Amino acid sequence: DQQVKQNSPSLSVQEGRISILNCDYTNSMFDYFLWYKKYPAEGPTFLISISSIKDKNEDGRFTVFLNKSAKHLSLHIVPSQPGDSAVYFCAASGKAAGNKLTFGGGTRVLVKP
Amino acid sequence: NAGVTQTPKFQVLKTGQSMTLQCAQDMNHEYMSWYRQDPGMGLRLIHYSVGAGITDQGEVPNGYNVSRSTTEDFPLRLLSAAPSQTSVYFCASSSQDNTPGTEAFFGQGTRLTVV
Repeated sequence: DQQVKQNSPSLSVQEGRISILNCDYTNSMFDYFLWYKKYPAEGPTFLISISSIKDKNEDGRFTVFLNKSAKHLSLHIVPSQPGDSAVYFCAASGKAAGNKLTFGGGTRVLVKP
Repeated sequence: NAGVTQTPKFQVLKTGQSMTLQCAQDMNHEYMSWYRQDPGMGLRLIHYSVGAGITDQGEVPNGYNVSRSTTEDFPLRLLSAAPSQTSVYFCASSSQDNTPGTEAFFGQGTRLTVV
């Protein structure tokens, strides 16, 4: 029973266009959400996060949106670049969950030149 | 600036063999954890530690042991390897308080195949 789900295993987008990655969660006790990016043969690296008291957080080309009522968050990458081709993991944490990270299954993004 | 270092990078084991995956961090982080990554399953927590001498189970602990004798090291032991343990293993560390949203730093991973 996955508490964090990324329903799209893959996404293909043209360079310069917007990439939208979606993530749903079931545990209402989560109060912090993070996105990690992973290249092949490397460990995941932190990308961006958002607290449950906010509905948007922006960092350069990356913006995360949180809809608490729908238990849904999304990551927007604008404009997408070939170097953004990677697997993106959504993760959630919260005090009630012992501050442990719970990850989604990942979405593989391919940005075509 | 090494961060989190895992060894080995690749390993093939026969069913029933034992081995230890090594993990070391040089950031003086109190919180360390082990994950396994399987296709479509994301990263699942195996064991974690909130400090030297303290360990606890994660989501999928069966078949694995850990110990934390120093702040820097957090080895993961497979006592009797099984094909179901074929996976990519990641070690991670984060700062002491591990408050929600604290960034975790990951090692490069160990790809383990059990035949």
